[in-house]
Amino acid sequence: QKEVEQDPGPLSVPEGAIVSLNCTYSNSAFQYFMWYRQYSRKGPELLMYTYSSGNKEDGRFTAQVDKSSKYISLFIRDSQPSDSATYLCAMNAGNNRKLIWGLGTSLAVNP
Amino acid sequence: GAVVSQHPSRVICKSGTSVKIECRSLDFQATTMFWYRQFPKQSLMLMATSNEGSKATYEQGVEKDKFLINHASLTLSTLTVTSAHPEDSSFYICSARDRRSGGFGETQYFGPGTRLLVL
Repeated sequence: QKEVEQDPGPLSVPEGAIVSLNCTYSNSAFQYFMWYRQYSRKGPELLMYTYSSGNKEDGRFTAQVDKSSKYISLFIRDSQPSDSATYLCAMNAGNNRKLIWGLGTSLAVNP
Repeated sequence: GAVVSQHPSRVICKSGTSVKIECRSLDFQATTMFWYRQFPKQSLMLMATSNEGSKATYEQGVEKDKFLINHASLTLSTLTVTSAHPEDSSFYICSARDRRSGGFGETQYFGPGTRLLVL
């Protein structure tokens, strides 16, 4: 079993839809959770960062962490064609340990 | 803030030559930089962790003599692919961790990547 599981998709939605992206993990020591967006042939861009459980909102993006279920989510409201990209989750247990990455979910938002 | 540059963005070379890729943190100091490799439609594969002033830590299966890493300053790390072969063709991405303490200490900021093609 991988430490971090993420459905690679592809996920295709119409413009304006609410998108839900998810990752599950097995290591209960993970405390730091990140979501990155990666456009084709570009480096990943940090979108959201969350420590421990709870919600965090930034514009159209909301990150949720449920440590009891070992489940994290990224919600995108009012999705736009410019949101079409691969979304990667990453996490670690802190103390400068390396990040453990999901496979990434490919998202296409259709006009 | 938190901008990381990478140079070159693309390189084509002949088999047997060495290629150097530079990674710079432009507006912050990075005590730790990371080098990743990414194949098409796959996730990031960590190759090595580079700490300023010390030897890099390589992941299992990554040849340290093949992929030379130097982290000479708090803003610059280099990856040299020695005696490159076609199987080394890939997308190489660096990232840097901001040395400032606090909640963002675990995040990494990525460069735009270098596409290497070895003929």
